[in-house]
Amino acid sequence: AQRVTQPEKLLSVFKGAPVELKCNYSYSGSPELFWYVQYSRQRLQLLLRHISRESIKGFTADLNKGETSFHLKKPFAQEEDSAMYYCALARSGNTPLVFGKGTRLSVIA
Amino acid sequence: ETGVTQTPRHLVMGMTNKKSLKCEQHLGHNAMYWYKQSAKKPLELMFVYNFKEQTENNSVPSRFSPECPNSSHLFLHLHTLQPEDSALYLCASSQDAGAGANVLTFGAGSRLTVL
Repeated sequence: AQRVTQPEKLLSVFKGAPVELKCNYSYSGSPELFWYVQYSRQRLQLLLRHISRESIKGFTADLNKGETSFHLKKPFAQEEDSAMYYCALARSGNTPLVFGKGTRLSVIA
Repeated sequence: ETGVTQTPRHLVMGMTNKKSLKCEQHLGHNAMYWYKQSAKKPLELMFVYNFKEQTENNSVPSRFSPECPNSSHLFLHLHTLQPEDSALYLCASSQDAGAGANVLTFGAGSRLTVL
């Protein structure tokens, strides 16, 4: 069965410090991995997906199949990055996403 | 409002009431979803509709009854709910297949409180 694990419920960092939100998955096939974000009083929205290999708002995430991980990273955290972050996985094709429990990132000024 | 619209935004109901949540999208998407978001559990997929056909029911109790009359509208009919059903119910949509299938557009959610 597919499973997504985000080990940290809450992560607090100071402004300007590096950020790494951890995500591990279990799936025997070729996964598609995503990060979704929910800012305060806003809708849950897509942040990035691994196949795009792009940086969004300074965030990047690399799929590591050996470690079955898809950690989200940013070198210098900003206050506006404070939000709830969800890692999500799907098998390729038209299949529903499986979400992790989420990590709340708090960036302290 | 563009994107995915959910109504009502807030709903309080008793355990014997019958109510419905509504979701509509005008993004040209063919797949629509209901998710449950509560404080204690991650985003839980409830139902998936693809081209108006239900393709997934994630072992949801029968007191939740979905309806998808067309690709743009999705309902969640509620009856004889329990207090533990209190949660934020999120609707989402996506393209039906291909690379965009798992790029979900979410609504703002309907906050349900069952007394």
